[in-house]
Amino acid sequence: AQSVTQLDSHVSVSEGTPVLLRCNYSSSYSPSLFWYVQHPNKGLQLLLKYTSAATLVKGINGFEAEFKKSETSFHLTKPSAHMSDAAEYFCVVKLRDDKIIFGKGTRLHILP
Amino acid sequence: DGGITQSPKYLFRKEGQNVTLSCEQNLNHDAMYWYRQDPGQGLRLIYYSQIVNDFQKGDIAEGYSVSREKKESFPLTVTSAQKNPTAFYLCASSRGGAALSYEQYFGPGTRLTVT
Repeated sequence: AQSVTQLDSHVSVSEGTPVLLRCNYSSSYSPSLFWYVQHPNKGLQLLLKYTSAATLVKGINGFEAEFKKSETSFHLTKPSAHMSDAAEYFCVVKLRDDKIIFGKGTRLHILP
Repeated sequence: DGGITQSPKYLFRKEGQNVTLSCEQNLNHDAMYWYRQDPGQGLRLIYYSQIVNDFQKGDIAEGYSVSREKKESFPLTVTSAQKNPTAFYLCASSRGGAALSYEQYFGPGTRLTVT
């Protein structure tokens, strides 16, 4: 069965330190993968997407993610956290039949 | 400006009343979606529509109904049969077709409180 697992429900980092948000997926073929960000009481905004081109994908606000087929992972990283990065992040898988699967989300806290 | 609008931002209703949430897009997208968001549960799909006059149930359709009479509009009705309607509701749209690369665009959401 296809699924998306975000391994941490909460992540806390200090401002200026690296961010790592982990996402693993399960699929019988290479899907499209997306990361979205949601600030409190707002809709979701696309950060980046992987669609079988380059495995290292750069997104907005300095975020990037690497698709690793052997590990079925699509972890989101940023070299240096900013206070404005505090939000909830969702890893999303899109399958061939247009089915879209959301991870349960990771809330990122930035410590001053 | 192109985008998705949802109205109202906050909605309050008494138990037993039906309520309709509005979703409009001017992105010329074929596909539209309704999600429900509860704390700690991520997003759960209620209904989606890939084309006008057609829609499919998602994972949690019970107690909800939709219509898709126009490409731009996909209203969601929360009926009195929905046992726990208080939640944050998000509407999204995307280009249709089989391409995997099409991402979703989300509206700002409607927070519904039923007492």
